[in-house]
Amino acid sequence: DIQMTQSPSSLSASVGDRVTITCRASQGISNDLAWYQQKPGKIPKLLIYDVSTLQSGVPSRFSGSGSGTDFTLTISSLQPEDVAIYYCQKYDSVLTFGPGTTVDIK
Amino acid sequence: QVQLVQSGAEVKKPGSSVRVSCKASGVTFRRSAFSWVRQAPGPGLEWMGGIIPAYGSGNYAQKFQGRVMITADESASTVYMELSSLRSEDSAVYYCARTYTSGWFGGLGYYHYMDVWGKGTTVTVSS
Repeated sequence: DIQMTQSPSSLSASVGDRVTITCRASQGISNDLAWYQQKPGKIPKLLIYDVSTLQSGVPSRFSGSGSGTDFTLTISSLQPEDVAIYYCQKYDSVLTFGPGTTVDIK
Repeated sequence: QVQLVQSGAEVKKPGSSVRVSCKASGVTFRRSAFSWVRQAPGPGLEWMGGIIPAYGSGNYAQKFQGRVMITADESASTVYMELSSLRSEDSAVYYCARTYTSGWFGGLGYYHYMDVWGKGTTVTVSS
């Protein structure tokens, strides 16, 4: 089975900072990757699919890139409302999430 | 507008089973795909399995094979997840989610991303 890892597991940054989260697959997964945001006490929300396609309504400060085994989620200018846990997820006949990255405001 | 309405919270004894329902509206039910994802207390999401109602049978994560069954009732536009042999570690919030699919190949559904989520059903397993 393909395993997904994320780094860092948590980060703290200032408002306006550029934030980057990395997701790595144990084998190549082409462009079959999505990112989700889960705010405290809320349900998960799809942010990005197919590595870099922004889901409708998601602010443009979020972007995704990568291919094969290494992927990144970038928040270009961190806002207070971005405090959340971010998960990557690979597609296939079995779906697998990364362990999550907690983003906090310094 | 797609909506997924899940059944209410459950409290179960160890060793028993639980069935959670998820009623979909605003979708072409038969041709959609649906996943079940659980979240134990704390961070972390686990995909349990999925189903494409047009094809009937579900795919399951290896961890839950033999203990979970996902079914669909087209007449009611409802997907069900039944988990058996419950233990305390199964206490979690269970979400259904509409899942984009690229179809059915070799007896398995191929699932992509989950764009609409239900509000979650809390299952508590306690003696």
